[in-house]
Amino acid sequence: GQQVMQIPQYQHVQEGEDFTTYCNSSTTLSNIQWYKQRPGGHPVFLIQLVKSGEVKKQKRLTFQFGEAKKNSSLHITATQTTDVGTYFCAGSGSARQLTFGSGTQLTVLP
Amino acid sequence: DTGVSQNPRHKITKRGQNVTFRCDPISEHNRLYWYRQTLGQGPEFLTYFQNEAQLEKSRLLSDRFSAERPKGSFSTLEIQRTEQGDSAMYLCASSPQLVGYTFGSGTRLTVV
Repeated sequence: GQQVMQIPQYQHVQEGEDFTTYCNSSTTLSNIQWYKQRPGGHPVFLIQLVKSGEVKKQKRLTFQFGEAKKNSSLHITATQTTDVGTYFCAGSGSARQLTFGSGTQLTVLP
Repeated sequence: DTGVSQNPRHKITKRGQNVTFRCDPISEHNRLYWYRQTLGQGPEFLTYFQNEAQLEKSRLLSDRFSAERPKGSFSTLEIQRTEQGDSAMYLCASSPQLVGYTFGSGTRLTVV
């Protein structure tokens, strides 16, 4: 079955530093979505990417979808303490539901 | 308020007991999903409804698990003869299509 892997599992950064998490799928994806889960909270939808090579920005967050539609990345510029949480990518191939990665837990040190 | 409501928020049960969780999705959303999440892991798919039809069920879901969405509105997830390995956060999500799931706050199950 489809597998979605994320690295790194954990990332500690100093406030103001940049952060990147990478997502790789074992199969080609029709789309990829990103979610953020704050400590003690539930996943919250951030964005969806559909097209090969697509790049989208949300303020300090930049999302990319690979040319082969099998990988994606999320980059945060100049992290803030409000960025703390676990970032999940989730992809759908031929299935009608999303397969989530294991997440990257971001800690931002003030 | 996310719009997806789950009850109860917490459930502690003894091994071997049955438990039932409820999810009320956003009313306009015809798709409803159940996921399970354990500490340090991403949500793991359990089952999916489109309206009242259960269209997909994870192969990981044993026959002790059953889900319903009788009128295409709220859904219930029942676990029979609970085991300690069933301890997890059970998340419900809804969406109008395969975009942007809205998750509920989850039901945390502890089996003792």
